[in-house]
Amino acid sequence: ELKVEQNPLFLSMQEGKNYTIYCNYSTTSDRLYWYRQDPGKSLESLFVLLSNGAVKQEGRLMASLDTKARLSTLHITAAVHDLSATYFCAVSEYGNKLVFGAGTILRVKS
Amino acid sequence: NAGVTQTPKFQVLKTGQSMTLQCAQDMNHEYMSWYRQDPGMGLRLIHYSVGAGITDQGEVPNGYNVSRSTTEDFPLRLLSAAPSQTSVYFCASSLRLGQGANGYTFGSGTRLTVV
Repeated sequence: ELKVEQNPLFLSMQEGKNYTIYCNYSTTSDRLYWYRQDPGKSLESLFVLLSNGAVKQEGRLMASLDTKARLSTLHITAAVHDLSATYFCAVSEYGNKLVFGAGTILRVKS
Repeated sequence: NAGVTQTPKFQVLKTGQSMTLQCAQDMNHEYMSWYRQDPGMGLRLIHYSVGAGITDQGEVPNGYNVSRSTTEDFPLRLLSAAPSQTSVYFCASSLRLGQGANGYTFGSGTRLTVV
């Protein structure tokens, strides 16, 4: 059974600092997703990572995938208040159903 | 292009009542699914469908029914509501099991309270 673990579950950051959210998963997968959710809102797709070594960047966020280690990271560079949200990773098991991590609540303080 | 439309946005039910949460997509997506979101638990899959006439159970199917008579619609039925079903429900769709540049498209959610 596929399990997805995120850490930390809560992250309080100062503006301008860097930090990384980790996503570990338990079985082989063909793709990994990162989503952002603002309070009371739906999920917004950030990144889709398809292969080992994949790296994608959008603004201050960069996601990478190491399929051998079954690990993905979401790196935040020079955090700003607008990045405050909950971030989820989700893993699909060779095209099958999507399994989510518990989410990381990110708060950026000025 | 409306994407994934969920109705209603909010609902309060009494224990034992039944209701249907509606989900419709206009992107000709084959794959549709229902998730529930509870604090600290991420999203958990309730039921999913890989095409019209085909449905299957996810991680937490008990107390819920689904059907897929058309490509566009995937309603979720609560048979006899219980307080444990208080949650936020999301419908999601994709071209084919996560294919496509952005993978899955999520609806805006239905916030359900069972009293």
